[in-house]
Amino acid sequence: QVQLQESGPGLVKPSETLSLTCSVSGFSIRSAYCWGWIRQPPGKGLEWIGSICHGGTTYYNASLKSRVTVSVDTSENQFSLKLSSVTAADTAVYYCARRPNYFDFWGQGALVTVSS
Amino acid sequence: DIQMTQSPSSLSASVGDRVTITCRASQSIGSWLAWYQQKPQKAPKPLIYGASILQSGVPSRFSASGSGTDFTLTISSLQPEDFAIYYCQQYHTYPMTFGQGTRLE
Repeated sequence: QVQLQESGPGLVKPSETLSLTCSVSGFSIRSAYCWGWIRQPPGKGLEWIGSICHGGTTYYNASLKSRVTVSVDTSENQFSLKLSSVTAADTAVYYCARRPNYFDFWGQGALVTVSS
Repeated sequence: DIQMTQSPSSLSASVGDRVTITCRASQSIGSWLAWYQQKPQKAPKPLIYGASILQSGVPSRFSASGSGTDFTLTISSLQPEDFAIYYCQQYHTYPMTFGQGTRLE
């Protein structure tokens, strides 16, 4: 069974960089598909952040593109999110997910709060 | 960006009811549409992909249809565990976008 698990700091200071890692088990991320990040501010809807696909191509939401980096570590079967220059508006639950085309397997989510 | 608009935003229903949620795309997305169910403090769970294909393990009371710009999700006989928020999502074009959600209560 494919499982994803987000990890990283739950509290980030304004202007700093948010860093999260998604550990994948039950599937080799080097073998296929895209892998993505989605976030959900408290009480709000879902926003796609970005994806990295088999072969290393990345796609980012233009609204965040200048601040976002998604990368993959195939040796660890993980992929990561970095979001720079965060503000309170970046406070959200961050999900990682596998994407053959739609998002078929999701992590449980990691709440990241931006506050000094 | 392709805008996804769901209606209604919230829906009051009872166990046993037949419920329909609609999703409209701002431009044609073919059948590149998924539906998700989200319960409190949980990750979204895929229900439908390809506009009408039931995800493995999802009860058959869930069905969906549509193509192009207009899509529907139907729950034929509402069960207590179906009270949740439902989202549509297009994966035709980057950026992938979600509807604003429909709260079923």
